[in-house]
Amino acid sequence: DVKVTQSSRYLVKRTGEKVFLECVQDMDHENMFWYRQDPGLGLRLIYFSYDVKMKEKGDIPEGYSVSREKKERFSLILESASTNQTSMYLCASSRPRTTSQPQHFGDGTRLSIL
Amino acid sequence: GDSVTQMEGPVTLSEEAFLTINCTYTATGYPSLFWYVQYPGEGLQLLLKATKADDKGSNKGFEATYRKETTSFHLEKGSVQVSDSAVYFCALHDTGRRALTFGSGTRLQVQP
Repeated sequence: DVKVTQSSRYLVKRTGEKVFLECVQDMDHENMFWYRQDPGLGLRLIYFSYDVKMKEKGDIPEGYSVSREKKERFSLILESASTNQTSMYLCASSRPRTTSQPQHFGDGTRLSIL
Repeated sequence: GDSVTQMEGPVTLSEEAFLTINCTYTATGYPSLFWYVQYPGEGLQLLLKATKADDKGSNKGFEATYRKETTSFHLEKGSVQVSDSAVYFCALHDTGRRALTFGSGTRLQVQP
């Protein structure tokens, strides 16, 4: 089974802090994704990466950046955390190119910005 | 652009009742369609998928049929259990895009 592991289940940070969310997958997947989940809005794509050092903006990239130095690891960075970034963050991975390949999700990180 | 519309919840049912959660979509290409489930405190798990028109996906007693003529992918189960209580997300993966497009999710509460 594919395993996607997010480093923290719960995280509390202060406004203005630089925040790192880490995600590791063990199935050698090329694609990795960061979503945020908010009530009534479903999942919204922040960034994704289709190869090491490659990234593309998703639908809501403002205030975020990402890093993918190794194939198995994809980091989401909040450069200067703000209260409107309080949310559930979900990481996912998948094989490339074909639309029939599902995404595999981690358990999520619930981030609170005070 | 692509979009997915789900019925709003919560949906509250008694155990052994019949379940339908509606999902319709708009897409520019030839998408694959998915249902994901999120149990409390967990990430999303793939429930079922269909990759072309008239395909039926099924898993754990849940079914959904890819209807291109009505652009729908409704989720059904004949007899729900308390353990089915969760949030259900409909999603599509369109050609030319790398990421999924999700609906807003439907919370299902099953009472004993």
